[in-house]
Amino acid sequence: ETGVTQTPRHLVMGMTNKKSLKCEQHLGHNAMYWYKQSAKKPLELMFVYNFKEQTENNSVPSRFSPECPNSSHLFLHLHTLQPEDSALYLCASSQQTGGFGYTFGSGTRLTVV
Amino acid sequence: KQEVTQIPAALSVPEGENLVLNCSFTDSAIYNLQWFRQDPGKGLTSLLLIQSSQREQTSGRLNASLDKSSGRSTLYIAASQPGDSATYLCAASFGDKAAGNKLTFGGGTRVLVKP
Repeated sequence: ETGVTQTPRHLVMGMTNKKSLKCEQHLGHNAMYWYKQSAKKPLELMFVYNFKEQTENNSVPSRFSPECPNSSHLFLHLHTLQPEDSALYLCASSQQTGGFGYTFGSGTRLTVV
Repeated sequence: KQEVTQIPAALSVPEGENLVLNCSFTDSAIYNLQWFRQDPGKGLTSLLLIQSSQREQTSGRLNASLDKSSGRSTLYIAASQPGDSATYLCAASFGDKAAGNKLTFGGGTRVLVKP
């Protein structure tokens, strides 16, 4: 484990389902992130949370809803997703200033059917 | 638009040969640049971080350089081993330290080191 834990590792959901991805870090970092990795596309930054406050929403559709209750936990709530949302969703954490210590979780492989 | 590009997308070398991986970026106002390794189905592992004030960083067999004027970074891996087979990604942040944690990634170079 890298110090950033993501659950579940795999998720299959229908387009009408609601599910949540969870991320947890105990590295003392004060910034957390969601990234999306699709086939044949570069990693895309989705959301940035600095000190529990959302500071970046990279034009992500509202069917993705992040939540950061504290500096150690980050959730991504999913509802009415589309098949094109199937991807590897990666959580990361780092120091807020300068992005030092960037550490990624192993990801959740999401398949929307 | 700030972009990061990695060419080639894939590379195959015999064991023992030195690896040279390229990364280019469009904005000279780079804050820092990081190199990551990703194994299939896994998350990313940070390899090296170069701040904009630095020219290079070294860790073991890895050496990364940064040339802001030409918009390029190069990752050198000496004496490659089969265990070096993975996808290598570079990522840059632009602007000031407040934006230093917002990474823009390249598409990666998939490396295969043949025994």
